[in-house]
Amino acid sequence: GNSVTQMEGPVTLSEEAFLTINCTYTATGYPSLFWYVQYPGEGLQLLLKATKADDKGSNKGFEATYRKETTSFHLEKGSVQVSDSAVYFCALRKGSARQLTFGSGTQLTVLP
Amino acid sequence: NAGVTQTPKFQVLKTGQSMTLQCAQDMNHNSMYWYRQDPGMGLRLIYYSASEGTTDKGEVPNGYNVSRLNKREFSLRLESAAPSQTSVYFCASSPDQGTNEKLFFGSGTQLSVL
Repeated sequence: GNSVTQMEGPVTLSEEAFLTINCTYTATGYPSLFWYVQYPGEGLQLLLKATKADDKGSNKGFEATYRKETTSFHLEKGSVQVSDSAVYFCALRKGSARQLTFGSGTQLTVLP
Repeated sequence: NAGVTQTPKFQVLKTGQSMTLQCAQDMNHNSMYWYRQDPGMGLRLIYYSASEGTTDKGEVPNGYNVSRLNKREFSLRLESAAPSQTSVYFCASSPDQGTNEKLFFGSGTQLSVL
């Protein structure tokens, strides 16, 4: 079946540091890939997505590239801010399937 | 800007008790979902409703029932709570039938079953 594996957290960085959160997936064919973010006390919200190989999703300074050859969708940001502290979830959707398959989430804390 | 509202935010139950988690959205979305999140695991779909009057099982439906009361509201009921149902529950909605890319989530309900 489909699955998503994220790097385990928590991740703690200083402000302006470079961020990478690894995400790999297992699925047949060409799933759509997503990053969701959950800020403290709030629900998850879509951060970015990519729907085909080599697509790059980007939003709020975050980027992720759909790599079919390595089945990966790593999240990156060049310079994190304290306000980026949140839990980040990688997810996939295969074809017309109704449900998203989520990773376990990675807690990011950015210190001033 | 209410979005998706879940109540309650926290609940403690004893084994065998029943309760209903409430969810309402004010975005006129067709589809609504209930997920649970357990430590070290991703969110797993319990039930979903593609439109008013329809509900379908997700990945982990056992021990739960749902009601799509109207387009706005989608409730999740635990008839006889078990410790294995201790989890964080998220309600979500999306505008499109048949796809769920653009999910809008509530802030979650922390449920503990003793």
